[in-house]
Amino acid sequence: AQSVTQLDSQVPVFEEAPVELRCNYSSSVSVYLFWYVQYPNQGLQLLLKYLSGSTLVKGINGFEAEFNKSQTSFHLRKPSVHISDTAEYFCAVSCTGGGNKLTFGTGTQLKVEL
Amino acid sequence: GAVVSQHPSWVICKSGTSVKIECRSLDFQATTMFWYRQFPKQSLMLMATSNEGSKATYEQGVEKDKFLINHASLTLSTLTVTSAHPEDSSFYICSARGQLAEYNEQFFGPGTRLTVL
Repeated sequence: AQSVTQLDSQVPVFEEAPVELRCNYSSSVSVYLFWYVQYPNQGLQLLLKYLSGSTLVKGINGFEAEFNKSQTSFHLRKPSVHISDTAEYFCAVSCTGGGNKLTFGTGTQLKVEL
Repeated sequence: GAVVSQHPSWVICKSGTSVKIECRSLDFQATTMFWYRQFPKQSLMLMATSNEGSKATYEQGVEKDKFLINHASLTLSTLTVTSAHPEDSSFYICSARGQLAEYNEQFFGPGTRLTVL
């Protein structure tokens, strides 16, 4: 079984400042890793994913994440945030191989202030 | 591409009634659909996985007689909340995975907010 830990439930940040949202996972097998964003009363939108290859993954809206196998982490970063980035961010993991389920973290509320 | 819709987007019903939520993949064939439940300020909890033409697989603790799932075609899955009660009030989100999604990518619908009075 896999598990995902997002230690920060809320992250306040000023506009144009950098931000890092932390994600750690636990699994006994190889995994795929994902970051999703959820705006109020909406479904989830995929920001980026790590499947294999380069450990630095770039996604939409200027976000990137780095897979660190030794630290079992997949932190999300953005060098300069905008007001429109205010949303809930979920880290998720699934086993490699077909048909496997996503396990989500508890989410981090990013609040960008002027 | 890869758009998933849900209908209705919100529903309010009286306790004891049944509510059906539809999940459709609009531009691809979904061999697998997933149903999630999300309480306010909480994460998504997988309720069940459905494969087209077969019975859904429910997660531990989810009552299959309470939450009926039908995946009758490659573009449609339905979740019926039977005899709904106030504790069933939640945000229900579906996702769909296509035949060509070899990397387990799920495409999410916009969600349905159910309020049971």
